[in-house]
Amino acid sequence: GQNIDQPTEMTATEGAIVQINCTYQTSGFNGLFWYQQHAGEAPTFLSYNVLDGLEEKGRFSSFLSRSKGYSYLLLKELQMKDSASYLCAVRDGNYQLIWGAGTKLIIKP
Amino acid sequence: ETGVTQTPRHLVMGMTNKKSLKCEQHLGHNAMYWYKQSAKKPLELMFVYSLEERVENNSVPSRFSPECPNSSHLFLHLHTLQPEDSALYLCASSQASGEPYNEQFFGPGTRLTVL
Repeated sequence: GQNIDQPTEMTATEGAIVQINCTYQTSGFNGLFWYQQHAGEAPTFLSYNVLDGLEEKGRFSSFLSRSKGYSYLLLKELQMKDSASYLCAVRDGNYQLIWGAGTKLIIKP
Repeated sequence: ETGVTQTPRHLVMGMTNKKSLKCEQHLGHNAMYWYKQSAKKPLELMFVYSLEERVENNSVPSRFSPECPNSSHLFLHLHTLQPEDSALYLCASSQASGEPYNEQFFGPGTRLTVL
């Protein structure tokens, strides 16, 4: 079966750096997405990786290794507003999105 | 209005009621999706409409009935639901599937409680 694994919850300190990992096993691969979802709100798109390597977008970066079935989202200079759930999703060989359960990130002052 | 809107935002219904959830997208997309989001579980894809044609129906119980009258509107009709159907129902839209990097844009969701 297809599977996306990511930690359930992480805690970090304001101003620090945090890395949220995502491992996947899917039938085919056509890209990996990261979404951010604040409590009670819609998920919003953060990043997309289809080739190996690091994609940087301001304070957020996303890394992909297709051979390892692994990605991470790196958040720098954490702010209180970064407290949210971070969802990893993989587009499989049929272009269907397979979702992880999300990682709840708690930022402490 | 911009983006993807959903109404109502909150809904409480009994098991014998009939209600409908509405989604509208203002992004010019031609694919729309219904998802179910339960606490600490992955998003569950329920239905996909591409170019107003249903292309995905992931073994969803018949008490959930989708309707897509045009590319901008999507409904989810509910009847004789069960308490385990209580969840956040999210609508999303994108350009038609099959194209890479067509991220989905989500609405704020309807929080459904079935008593």
